[in-house]
Amino acid sequence: QKEVEQNSGPLSVPEGAIASLNCTYSDRVSQSFFWYRQYSGKSPELIMSIYSNGDKEDGRFTAQLNKASQYVSLLIRDSQPSDSATYLCAALQGAQKLVFGQGTRLTINP
Amino acid sequence: EAQVTQNPRYLITVTGKKLTVTCSQNMNHEYMSWYRQDPGLGLRQIYYSMNVEVTDKGDVPEGYKVSRKEKRNFPLILESPSPNQTSLYFCASRDRAEKGYTFGSGTRLTVV
Repeated sequence: QKEVEQNSGPLSVPEGAIASLNCTYSDRVSQSFFWYRQYSGKSPELIMSIYSNGDKEDGRFTAQLNKASQYVSLLIRDSQPSDSATYLCAALQGAQKLVFGQGTRLTINP
Repeated sequence: EAQVTQNPRYLITVTGKKLTVTCSQNMNHEYMSWYRQDPGLGLRQIYYSMNVEVTDKGDVPEGYKVSRKEKRNFPLILESPSPNQTSLYFCASRDRAEKGYTFGSGTRLTVV
């Protein structure tokens, strides 16, 4: 099993709906998780971090961590066309290494 | 503005011609790292540094060198580039207390 796994998509969601992105992880990573957004040809941009079990909300974004199931998710409420991007799930391995999933390509349809 | 600056943004070079990609951060971050991104393989760590003069290999270090003589700079050196090093490269940094890395704008390298 890879350290961090995501469904590569593509995921298509109508504008205004909730987009749900999922990620699973192995025992080989620590308990620090991140969601990055990457537009085509651009650098990854950190949008959420989560370290504790439960939910963490920031504006339209909610990150969820379930340590028992080794599962991390990102919810985007009121999806906008500008949310169309690839979303990367990442976990910290040791003190300095970020391990990334393959990314999920999200398209928001107007 | 807090940022990680990479140069050049685009580079086309020939096999065997030494090159350096520069990376500089103005946030006084201890940790710096280089990643490459390839279709189907995602982002993979090349080298990292935990502070000045402290560097170590990541997952794909072959063919690369780094140095950390100053806290703000972390150049990536390709002594003898080969076509399989054609990729999109990102430099990233983070503070010891924070856990999320901030990424530079990327360098698209083509080796012919």
